[in-house]
This record gives sequence, C-alpha cells and structure tokens, in this order.
Amino acid sequence: QKEVEQDPGPLSVPEGAIVSLNCTYSNSAFQYFMWYRQYSRKGPELLMYTYSSGNKEDGRFTAQVDKSSKYISLFIRDSQPSDSATYLCAMDRIQGAQKLVFGQGTRLTINP
Amino acid sequence: DAGITQSPRHKVTETGTPVTLRCHQTENHRYMYWYRQDPGHGLRLIHYSYGVKDTDKGEVSDGYSVSRSKTEDFLLTLESATSSQTSVYFCAISGDSYEQYFGPGTRLTVT
Repeated sequence: QKEVEQDPGPLSVPEGAIVSLNCTYSNSAFQYFMWYRQYSRKGPELLMYTYSSGNKEDGRFTAQVDKSSKYISLFIRDSQPSDSATYLCAMDRIQGAQKLVFGQGTRLTINP
Repeated sequence: DAGITQSPRHKVTETGTPVTLRCHQTENHRYMYWYRQDPGHGLRLIHYSYGVKDTDKGEVSDGYSVSRSKTEDFLLTLESATSSQTSVYFCAISGDSYEQYFGPGTRLTVT
C-alpha cells in the first residue's frame, strides 16, 4: 500500500464548477501538507501548504487537512480553463531537508 | 520563476551507456533534490543534498549516483543506463522553508 493515495482521474468539469481534489495517507507522522500544480510538460509549482489540521484559503483555492481521518482536500471555486492541470498532493514529517512523499496526481480538465 | 535550469532537456541514449544530468540554481539554496516522474507513481525522490558534498539517498536511489561540488550545481549520474530508467527527471531546490521549487525537467529515453 502506498503511503499517499490519490485518484489519478481524469476529472473533467464545466467552467465555473467547484472542484474537489483529495488525498488519503497512512502515515500519522505527516505534519506538513502541500498541493502542487503541474501543467503539461512543465515542472510542478507549489500552490498551497498547510501545517497540521485546519483550513487555509488563498483566492479561489482552499486547502483542508483532517489528520484524524488522514485526509486532505483542495477545493477550487469558480474553476477556469486555466486551472486545467495535474494536481499533486505531497506530505512531510519534519521541517528541514524535505523528503516529500507525493501522491500520483489527479489530471483535471475545466471545459469552457 | 526560481532560477533553476536543467540540462539537457531531452536525451535519448542506449542501454549500458553512462548519462549525467545537470541541475543548476542561481538562488543559493541549501537543499537540492532529484526526482523521477512516471505514470502511476507520481514524483519519487532519487537523491537529495543538504550542502556541498553532503548527499543522501531517497526512495529510488538504486542505479543512480549524485555529486555536489558547488552550491549551485547538482549532478545526477546513471552509471549504466537501463530501459527502466526511461523517465522524466526533475530537479528541485529549497531553502529552510517548505517551498520546493522545481526545474523544467529532463526527458530521458533509454533504448
């Protein structure tokens, strides 16, 4: 069993929809949670990160962490065609030399 | 964009040949990483460095070696390339925060 599980999709939604992306994990030692966005044939870029449980909002994006359920989510409001990309969750145990564990990514398409 | 470049960007090589990929940064960040990305596996850490001449293994280090003789350069070497090492390779850098910045990637095909 992988430490981090993420549904690879693909996920296709109409423009303006609310998108929910999720990851589950098995290692309770994870404390730092990140979401990366990766456009086709590009490197991943950090979108959001949270420490421990709770919510974090940045514009149209909201990240949620539920450590009791070992479940993290990324919500995208008012989705745009430019949000079409692969979204990867990543997690780590301690600060410092990060040994991130990534989910396999969810491919998202926003249809105009 | 963070100042990270990777070279070459594309390479086709034959089984059994040595290959070296280069990552160069202009950010003076302490940490540097090499990942490979494959369908169904996401990003997996190969090796990382926490300073000049200080490196450690990641999840999938077999068949790979690294070197870091200067802060700005991190080299990944495949001593004898195999078809299973066909992949997209990403370099990343970070300072003391949680933000890892990724390079543009190198597409390696081993025939």
